[in-house]
Amino acid sequence: EAQVTQNPRYLITVTGKKLTVTCSQNMNHEYMSWYRQDPGLGLRQIYYSMNVEVTDKGDVPEGYKVSRKEKRNFPLILESPSPNQTSLYFCASSLGGQTGTDNEQFFGPGTRLTVL
Amino acid sequence: RKEVEQDPGPFNVPEGATVAFNCTYSNSASQSFFWYRQDCRKEPKLLMSVYSSGNEDGRFTAQLNRASQYISLLIRDSKLSDSATYLCVVTPTGKLIFGQGTTLQVKP
Repeated sequence: EAQVTQNPRYLITVTGKKLTVTCSQNMNHEYMSWYRQDPGLGLRQIYYSMNVEVTDKGDVPEGYKVSRKEKRNFPLILESPSPNQTSLYFCASSLGGQTGTDNEQFFGPGTRLTVL
Repeated sequence: RKEVEQDPGPFNVPEGATVAFNCTYSNSASQSFFWYRQDCRKEPKLLMSVYSSGNEDGRFTAQLNRASQYISLLIRDSKLSDSATYLCVVTPTGKLIFGQGTTLQVKP
């Protein structure tokens, strides 16, 4: 089954404790991205990657890191989480980018993160 | 002004009703437009792309008005299963910009 998976689905942690949220897709998509979703603000892009070893900042990259060592994986790293990073996080992938009528974004199931 | 604006609702309608949502965008250079559907606490899924000439998919019709910079989604004969949040997406600078969503509740 074609899908995007994220782990963990739920995480409660404390300020300053490094964490990684994994994202993996099995569709051989070149493009992957991370979003956070907050009430009243919608989905905001954190980082994106056009291909292996190619990553770039989205609209809200502060406090996050990513890496793209393999095509299928795109982990999100919070080196020192803070309470304002409490949010619902989505990973997404698509064939060839963000724009273009045919570039449907496939989203993972989401990770609900709480930082105390 | 937000790049993409939607009325958050909720829109409460009875089964069988016709409902329409609008979404306005600020950057006239936007090229591609989409509607995504998001069920409560789940991931967004593509509902339909929006073409310049307008397009229809069953009970759903999407329209684009470039002059007034808005897109619309019309749902005819609403079903209970249409209850969800509908996200408008535009692409002003080669990136996807999501609206905050419009919530629809269809009641029996």
